[in-house]
Amino acid sequence: GDSVTQMEGPVTLSEEAFLTINCTYTATGYPSLFWYVQYPGEGLQLLLKATKADDKGSNKGFEATYRKETTSFHLEKGSVQVSDSAVYFCALMPFSGGYNKLIFGAGTRLAVHP
Amino acid sequence: DVKVTQSSRYLVKRTGEKVFLECVQDMDHENMFWYRQDPGLGLRLIYFSYDVKMKEKGDIPEGYSVSREKKERFSLILESASTNQTSMYLCASKEQHLPYEQYFGPGTRLTVT
Repeated sequence: GDSVTQMEGPVTLSEEAFLTINCTYTATGYPSLFWYVQYPGEGLQLLLKATKADDKGSNKGFEATYRKETTSFHLEKGSVQVSDSAVYFCALMPFSGGYNKLIFGAGTRLAVHP
Repeated sequence: DVKVTQSSRYLVKRTGEKVFLECVQDMDHENMFWYRQDPGLGLRLIYFSYDVKMKEKGDIPEGYSVSREKKERFSLILESASTNQTSMYLCASKEQHLPYEQYFGPGTRLTVT
């Protein structure tokens, strides 16, 4: 079945470091891909999305490119801030599957220190 | 802005109690979802509803039921709470057009003692 695998955390970085959180997926057809972020004590917020191969989603300095050949959607940011500390979830929405359910990875906790 | 609200941020219940978690959305979305979030497991779908009074089981429906009497409101019911239902519960609603983004509520952290 469809699934999402993302790198285990926690990821600990110093402020202004480069961030990569790996995400790979297994799905038939052409799913839509998402990154959600969960700040402490809050629900999930959509960070960025991509709906077809080679699309690049971007928001708040974060980027991810939909790579069909490697079935990946890695999250990157060139210079992280303390305020980026959160849990990041990669998710896919199967192309077919009725009612557009989301399938989530396990989440990666990011801690950024000054 | 889409708003999804949940009735409680924190709940503490005893084993065997009947528990109601309420979710309300203000964007006239047809689809609504209940997930539970556990460390290392991500979010897992409990139930979803694609219209008023219409529902389908998700991946982990055992021990839960749902109610959707009005379009804006989707309730999750724990018929007889157990300690293994201690978790964070997240409600979401979904827009009807690409990319079918789901909007989440702030979550309810339920502890069953």
